[in-house]
Amino acid sequence: DTAVSQTPKYLVTQMGNDKSIKCEQNLGHDTMYWYKQDSKKFLKIMFSYNNKELIINETVPNRFSPKSPDKAHLNLHINSLELGDSAVYFCASSPIMGGEQFFGPGTRLTVL
Amino acid sequence: GNSVTQMEGPVTLSEEAFLTINCTYTATGYPSLFWYVQYPGEGLQLLLKATKADDKGSNKGFEATYRKETTSFHLEKGSVQVSDSAVYFCALLDGGATNKLIFGTGTLLAVQP
Repeated sequence: DTAVSQTPKYLVTQMGNDKSIKCEQNLGHDTMYWYKQDSKKFLKIMFSYNNKELIINETVPNRFSPKSPDKAHLNLHINSLELGDSAVYFCASSPIMGGEQFFGPGTRLTVL
Repeated sequence: GNSVTQMEGPVTLSEEAFLTINCTYTATGYPSLFWYVQYPGEGLQLLLKATKADDKGSNKGFEATYRKETTSFHLEKGSVQVSDSAVYFCALLDGGATNKLIFGTGTLLAVQP
């Protein structure tokens, strides 16, 4: 019954690797987002998709590539991981542009 | 651009104390305002919201009033509990084409028994 789910919850990997984080929402929402929370708890938008169309790409390195196979999923692929990518990544969704956003539990990525 | 400023933490209180966490914003127009809470090891949960000036959001004993005169949305609770210990984030909805949430830096609240 989880509204917004993410997998995995924890991800530990080596520098230079490529990894993916998956996000699924079962709320029937049209819009999905990725946010990054750094070690100081600061949260910043990375991407948003509305009906599978990219709306926001907030000056994120092109090593990060979101993919939305359908309205219920927004996955995040990260190539050539760097130490500075270590963070907690949150997926969120909202029913319409401007609607309340519901967050997933987060994925803690640690790059060694 | 739009921004949110919240008071630095940590805020340490004894149980049943009164809580205020200050939040001010800079924005064009009147964006919707939110307080989110992040309990240890968990994701963000919406605590309360207000969509227009003078609206009061409330939930679980927490309240915040949208004050356009002072561009503020301070979070208050009359009597905190140990279970309220968490990080609290003030946010505004940067609407238009982007619809992104702009967050403050978060305030850690620690409530001691």
